[in-house]
Amino acid sequence: ETGVTQSPTHLIKTRGQQVTLRCSSQSGHNTVSWYQQALGQGPQFIFQYYREEENGRGNFPPRFSGLQFPNYSSELNVNALELDDSALYLCASSLAAGGGANEQFFGPGTRLTVL
Amino acid sequence: AQKITQTQPGMFVQEKEAVTLDCTYDTSDPSYGLFWYKQPSSGEMIFLIYQGSYDQQNATEGRYSLNFQKARKSANLVISASQLGDSAMYFCAMRERDSSASKIIFGSGTRLSIRP
Repeated sequence: ETGVTQSPTHLIKTRGQQVTLRCSSQSGHNTVSWYQQALGQGPQFIFQYYREEENGRGNFPPRFSGLQFPNYSSELNVNALELDDSALYLCASSLAAGGGANEQFFGPGTRLTVL
Repeated sequence: AQKITQTQPGMFVQEKEAVTLDCTYDTSDPSYGLFWYKQPSSGEMIFLIYQGSYDQQNATEGRYSLNFQKARKSANLVISASQLGDSAMYFCAMRERDSSASKIIFGSGTRLSIRP
């Protein structure tokens, strides 16, 4: 069973640039959720994708967007980067959009630094 | 609004001692799930234990147990016989249902340091 993977592991961008982060879900999982974790804080929900459609969104502006592909891998895109976007971005996959105990398995994260 | 509160920013514990990490939550949803995750310095969130709101017994997973007091809205994590490898950030979290999505709300975390 392959776990959740994310790429790249680290990334440095400048303000105003655009960035794409990638996530491969765990084998058999069709739902991917993205979280932003600022330094010293708990993760915050950005959005969730289920069967290639956005299935819920947190309090993030439209410049945060995503995609999910037929193989259930996912991308997080952030446009017009701001300094406050510097954070660890975590991807989590699950078998379905809701319910259960071990429902979300997290990847190792991508650490984004915006200068 | 649903909320998770962890009031201990940091804790130091001697190796082999038991430790309790506090967590309180607030929700009006009668059906919810509570989680504890461990986050080492590498950044990956590691699932530790889950408690459903309708579970009659406290959840246990090896050295981890969850002291679930529903009336007090408390879900403390107990780690028995702590080990040096337990040093990490620990997050209490709650599953929230928002339409068809199921997202997890996290607390601010507790940094646990185990002394040899």
